[in-house]
Amino acid sequence: ETGVTQSPTHLIKTRGQQVTLRCSSQSGHNTVSWYQQALGQGPQFIFQYYREEENGRGNFPPRFSGLQFPNYSSELNVNALELDDSALYLCASSKAGRGGYTFGSGTRLTVV
Amino acid sequence: AQSVTQPDIHITVSEGASLELRCNYSYGATPYLFWYVQSPGQGLQLLLKYFSGDTLVQGIKGFEAEFKRSQSSFNLRKPSVHWSDAAEYFCAVLPEGGNKLTFGTGTQLKVEL
Repeated sequence: ETGVTQSPTHLIKTRGQQVTLRCSSQSGHNTVSWYQQALGQGPQFIFQYYREEENGRGNFPPRFSGLQFPNYSSELNVNALELDDSALYLCASSKAGRGGYTFGSGTRLTVV
Repeated sequence: AQSVTQPDIHITVSEGASLELRCNYSYGATPYLFWYVQSPGQGLQLLLKYFSGDTLVQGIKGFEAEFKRSQSSFNLRKPSVHWSDAAEYFCAVLPEGGNKLTFGTGTQLKVEL
């Protein structure tokens, strides 16, 4: 079975720009969650998507938004980038209600 | 809201020595419990998980963890550490039926040869 794949692996953006990160879920998984991991910290929950709808959100502002597509892949969009948005962004997929999350290798975003 | 505490930020052990990484959680009921490992610049790999049943859980790479309800703990153990185990380890909780994993701040493991 394929795992979770994320693209791109690294990205450098300027403050104020917008960015889109992509995630392909593991085969058989229908739920995608996004996490932000700042340097030296544990991952923080951004939001989850299930059946193409947002299904729970962490303490992140509305400029963090997402999409889930019919094939269960997902995008994370961040508008008006700030320096503090620099982090590793992790995508995790799972089967709804089963509790087991498979993580991708992440996208390292640097905002300058 | 649930929270996870990993009291040890850094741990150094000699190769071949035993290892115990501590994890305590705060939650009203028994959540699902996880240990993940992260190598530098990489994503998270699941070592093991506890949903219910036997409180001693076996995972990959020779790791095990024991759930102790009375102590709200889920400590990770390995009887003999290998140099390749050097990485950062995260404990996480998920409320039953919930969708948000809450992670601890991680324990950085260094293995001395």
